[in-house]
Amino acid sequence: AQSVTQPDIHITVSEGASLELRCNYSYGATPYLFWYVQSPGQGLQLLLKYFSGDTLVQGIKGFEAEFKRSQSSFNLRKPSVHWSVAAEYFCAVGALYSGGGADGLTFGKGTHLIIQP
Amino acid sequence: DAGVIQSPRHEVTEMGQEVTLRCKPISGHNSLFWYRQTMMRGLELLIYFNNNVPIDDSGMPEDRFSAKMPNASFSTLKIQPSEPRDSAVYFCASSLARGGKLFFGSGTQLSVL
Repeated sequence: AQSVTQPDIHITVSEGASLELRCNYSYGATPYLFWYVQSPGQGLQLLLKYFSGDTLVQGIKGFEAEFKRSQSSFNLRKPSVHWSVAAEYFCAVGALYSGGGADGLTFGKGTHLIIQP
Repeated sequence: DAGVIQSPRHEVTEMGQEVTLRCKPISGHNSLFWYRQTMMRGLELLIYFNNNVPIDDSGMPEDRFSAKMPNASFSTLKIQPSEPRDSAVYFCASSLARGGKLFFGSGTQLSVL
Protein backbone atom coordinates (compact mmCIF):
# COMPACT_ATOMS: atom_id res chain seq x y z
CA ALA A 1 0.00 0.00 0.00
CA GLN A 2 1.17 3.50 -0.72
CA SER A 3 1.83 5.97 2.10
CA VAL A 4 3.24 9.43 2.62
CA THR A 5 5.06 10.78 5.66
CA GLN A 6 5.58 14.44 6.35
CA PRO A 7 7.85 14.42 9.41
CA ASP A 8 7.30 18.05 10.37
CA ILE A 9 3.88 19.03 11.68
CA HIS A 10 4.92 22.67 12.01
CA ILE A 11 7.75 24.65 10.41
CA THR A 12 8.61 28.25 11.29
CA VAL A 13 10.69 30.27 8.85
CA SER A 14 11.71 33.91 8.88
CA GLU A 15 10.51 36.04 6.01
CA GLY A 16 13.14 36.11 3.28
CA ALA A 17 14.77 32.89 4.43
CA SER A 18 14.84 29.67 2.43
CA LEU A 19 12.36 26.86 2.99
CA GLU A 20 12.46 23.10 2.74
CA LEU A 21 9.47 20.89 3.58
CA ARG A 22 10.16 17.19 3.84
CA CYS A 23 8.18 14.38 2.29
CA ASN A 24 8.92 10.65 2.29
CA TYR A 25 6.81 8.14 0.43
CA SER A 26 6.34 4.42 0.30
CA TYR A 27 5.24 2.91 -2.97
CA GLY A 28 5.99 -0.33 -4.75
CA ALA A 29 6.39 1.05 -8.25
CA THR A 30 7.32 4.33 -9.85
CA PRO A 31 5.49 6.94 -7.83
CA TYR A 32 3.60 9.92 -9.08
CA LEU A 33 4.24 12.68 -6.56
CA PHE A 34 2.50 15.93 -5.80
CA TRP A 35 2.63 18.95 -3.54
CA TYR A 36 -0.57 20.81 -2.68
CA VAL A 37 -1.12 23.96 -0.65
CA GLN A 38 -4.16 24.75 1.46
CA SER A 39 -4.92 28.27 2.64
CA PRO A 40 -7.22 28.72 5.67
CA GLY A 41 -10.82 27.90 4.85
CA GLN A 42 -9.96 26.83 1.33
CA GLY A 43 -9.54 23.65 -0.63
CA LEU A 44 -6.22 22.35 -1.85
CA GLN A 45 -4.37 23.83 -4.81
CA LEU A 46 -1.77 21.96 -6.82
CA LEU A 47 1.74 23.46 -6.56
CA LEU A 48 3.66 20.96 -8.65
CA LYS A 49 3.88 17.31 -9.67
CA TYR A 50 6.43 14.73 -10.71
CA PHE A 51 5.59 11.99 -13.15
CA SER A 52 8.87 11.21 -14.90
CA GLY A 53 11.91 12.84 -16.45
CA ASP A 54 13.89 15.60 -14.78
CA THR A 55 13.93 14.94 -11.04
CA LEU A 56 13.84 18.65 -10.22
CA VAL A 57 10.41 20.03 -10.97
CA GLN A 58 9.28 23.62 -10.96
CA GLY A 59 5.86 24.69 -9.75
CA ILE A 60 3.76 27.76 -9.26
CA LYS A 61 4.62 30.60 -6.88
CA GLY A 62 8.37 29.94 -7.15
CA PHE A 63 8.29 26.50 -5.54
CA GLU A 64 10.38 23.56 -6.67
CA ALA A 65 10.73 19.96 -5.53
CA GLU A 66 13.34 17.29 -6.08
CA PHE A 67 12.58 13.60 -6.46
CA LYS A 68 15.24 11.37 -4.92
CA ARG A 69 14.46 7.72 -5.52
CA SER A 70 17.32 6.47 -3.33
CA GLN A 71 15.90 8.34 -0.36
CA SER A 72 12.21 7.89 -1.25
CA SER A 73 11.85 11.62 -0.84
CA PHE A 74 10.19 14.50 -2.63
CA ASN A 75 11.10 17.62 -0.64
CA LEU A 76 9.60 21.00 -1.44
CA ARG A 77 11.83 24.06 -1.55
CA LYS A 78 11.62 27.79 -2.01
CA PRO A 79 14.71 30.02 -1.94
CA SER A 80 13.08 33.01 -0.22
CA VAL A 81 9.70 33.06 1.47
CA HIS A 82 7.13 35.83 1.76
CA TRP A 83 4.51 36.02 4.51
CA SER A 84 1.84 35.20 1.93
CA VAL A 85 3.00 31.58 1.62
CA ALA A 86 2.01 30.77 5.19
CA ALA A 87 -0.39 27.84 4.78
CA GLU A 88 -0.74 24.09 5.14
CA TYR A 89 1.28 22.02 2.67
CA PHE A 90 0.45 18.48 1.66
CA CYS A 91 2.56 15.92 -0.15
CA ALA A 92 0.72 13.17 -2.04
CA VAL A 93 1.54 10.00 -3.95
CA GLY A 94 -0.59 8.39 -6.62
CA ALA A 95 -0.65 5.21 -8.63
CA LEU A 96 -0.21 5.11 -12.37
CA TYR A 97 -3.51 5.11 -14.16
CA SER A 98 -3.38 3.24 -17.44
CA GLY A 99 -5.20 6.04 -19.17
CA GLY A 100 -2.54 8.54 -18.17
CA GLY A 101 -1.80 10.47 -15.02
CA ALA A 102 -2.15 9.46 -11.42
CA ASP A 103 -5.02 7.73 -9.66
CA GLY A 104 -6.27 7.50 -6.08
CA LEU A 105 -4.00 10.02 -4.37
CA THR A 106 -2.81 9.31 -0.81
CA PHE A 107 -1.98 12.45 1.12
CA GLY A 108 0.40 13.07 3.99
CA LYS A 109 -0.94 14.71 7.13
CA GLY A 110 0.45 18.07 6.16
CA THR A 111 3.00 20.58 7.38
CA HIS A 112 1.82 23.86 8.80
CA LEU A 113 4.13 26.65 7.61
CA ILE A 114 4.47 29.72 9.79
CA ILE A 115 6.32 32.80 8.54
CA GLN A 116 7.98 35.04 11.10
CA PRO A 117 8.43 38.75 10.30
CA ASP B 1 -15.23 29.09 -14.31
CA ALA B 2 -17.03 28.71 -10.98
CA GLY B 3 -14.82 25.91 -9.72
CA VAL B 4 -16.03 23.01 -7.61
CA ILE B 5 -19.00 24.13 -5.54
CA GLN B 6 -19.83 22.53 -2.22
CA SER B 7 -22.78 23.15 0.04
CA PRO B 8 -23.32 23.88 2.78
CA ARG B 9 -20.06 25.54 3.90
CA HIS B 10 -20.88 24.75 7.52
CA GLU B 11 -23.21 22.15 8.98
CA VAL B 12 -23.98 21.70 12.64
CA THR B 13 -26.22 18.81 13.61
CA GLU B 14 -27.05 16.56 16.50
CA MET B 15 -25.93 12.99 16.85
CA GLY B 16 -28.31 10.60 15.13
CA GLN B 17 -29.46 13.05 12.49
CA GLU B 18 -29.01 12.52 8.77
CA VAL B 19 -26.51 14.77 7.05
CA THR B 20 -26.28 15.37 3.31
CA LEU B 21 -23.31 17.12 1.74
CA ARG B 22 -23.53 18.33 -1.83
CA CYS B 23 -21.03 18.87 -4.59
CA LYS B 24 -21.17 20.32 -8.07
CA PRO B 25 -18.02 19.50 -10.04
CA ILE B 26 -16.51 21.71 -12.68
CA SER B 27 -18.50 21.44 -15.88
CA GLY B 28 -16.98 18.88 -18.22
CA HIS B 29 -15.01 17.07 -15.53
CA ASN B 30 -15.52 13.31 -15.58
CA SER B 31 -14.02 12.30 -12.24
CA LEU B 32 -15.23 13.28 -8.78
CA PHE B 33 -13.67 12.59 -5.40
CA TRP B 34 -14.82 12.89 -1.79
CA TYR B 35 -12.16 13.46 0.87
CA ARG B 36 -12.41 13.86 4.63
CA GLN B 37 -9.91 15.96 6.58
CA THR B 38 -9.27 15.68 10.33
CA MET B 39 -6.38 16.67 12.53
CA MET B 40 -5.75 13.09 13.56
CA ARG B 41 -6.00 11.33 10.22
CA GLY B 42 -5.19 14.08 7.75
CA LEU B 43 -6.81 13.96 4.32
CA GLU B 44 -8.46 10.64 3.52
CA LEU B 45 -9.98 9.59 0.22
CA LEU B 46 -13.48 8.27 0.86
CA ILE B 47 -14.74 7.45 -2.60
CA TYR B 48 -14.31 8.47 -6.20
CA PHE B 49 -16.41 8.32 -9.31
CA ASN B 50 -15.51 8.20 -12.97
CA ASN B 51 -18.27 9.01 -15.47
CA ASN B 52 -20.78 8.86 -12.59
CA VAL B 53 -19.76 5.31 -11.67
CA PRO B 54 -18.13 4.62 -8.29
CA ILE B 55 -14.62 3.30 -8.91
CA ASP B 56 -13.27 2.83 -5.41
CA ASP B 57 -15.26 3.20 -2.19
CA SER B 58 -12.79 1.37 0.03
CA GLY B 59 -12.19 4.56 2.00
CA MET B 60 -15.80 4.87 3.11
CA PRO B 61 -15.51 4.34 6.87
CA GLU B 62 -18.70 2.34 7.45
CA ASP B 63 -22.20 1.66 6.23
CA ARG B 64 -23.47 4.89 7.71
CA PHE B 65 -21.73 6.66 4.83
CA SER B 66 -23.08 6.58 1.30
CA ALA B 67 -22.35 8.57 -1.85
CA LYS B 68 -24.21 9.00 -5.07
CA MET B 69 -23.61 10.68 -8.37
CA PRO B 70 -26.92 10.69 -10.25
CA ASN B 71 -25.54 12.80 -13.09
CA ALA B 72 -22.35 14.45 -14.25
CA SER B 73 -23.06 17.72 -12.47
CA PHE B 74 -24.06 16.62 -8.98
CA SER B 75 -22.95 14.34 -6.18
CA THR B 76 -24.02 13.80 -2.59
CA LEU B 77 -22.32 12.31 0.45
CA LYS B 78 -24.79 11.18 3.08
CA ILE B 79 -24.18 10.17 6.69
CA GLN B 80 -27.05 8.40 8.45
CA PRO B 81 -27.04 8.36 11.41
CA SER B 82 -24.34 10.89 12.15
CA GLU B 83 -21.98 10.57 15.12
CA PRO B 84 -19.66 13.08 16.83
CA ARG B 85 -16.60 11.31 15.41
CA ASP B 86 -17.82 12.22 11.93
CA SER B 87 -16.99 15.85 12.65
CA ALA B 88 -14.47 16.93 10.01
CA VAL B 89 -14.05 18.98 6.89
CA TYR B 90 -15.34 17.16 3.84
CA PHE B 91 -13.85 18.11 0.50
CA CYS B 92 -15.10 17.37 -2.95
CA ALA B 93 -12.68 17.48 -5.88
CA SER B 94 -13.06 16.93 -9.59
CA SER B 95 -10.73 16.32 -12.50
CA LEU B 96 -11.14 16.56 -16.23
CA ALA B 97 -10.44 12.86 -16.58
CA ARG B 98 -9.36 10.00 -14.40
CA GLY B 99 -5.71 10.56 -13.57
CA GLY B 100 -5.89 14.28 -14.17
CA LYS B 101 -5.20 17.30 -12.00
CA LEU B 102 -7.53 17.63 -9.02
CA PHE B 103 -9.51 20.80 -8.39
CA PHE B 104 -10.83 21.08 -4.86
CA GLY B 105 -13.92 22.78 -3.50
CA SER B 106 -13.76 24.92 -0.38
CA GLY B 107 -15.08 22.12 1.79
CA THR B 108 -17.95 21.57 4.21
CA GLN B 109 -17.15 21.93 7.89
CA LEU B 110 -19.33 19.34 9.65
CA SER B 111 -19.86 19.43 13.40
CA VAL B 112 -21.90 16.65 15.00
CA LEU B 113 -22.83 17.45 18.58
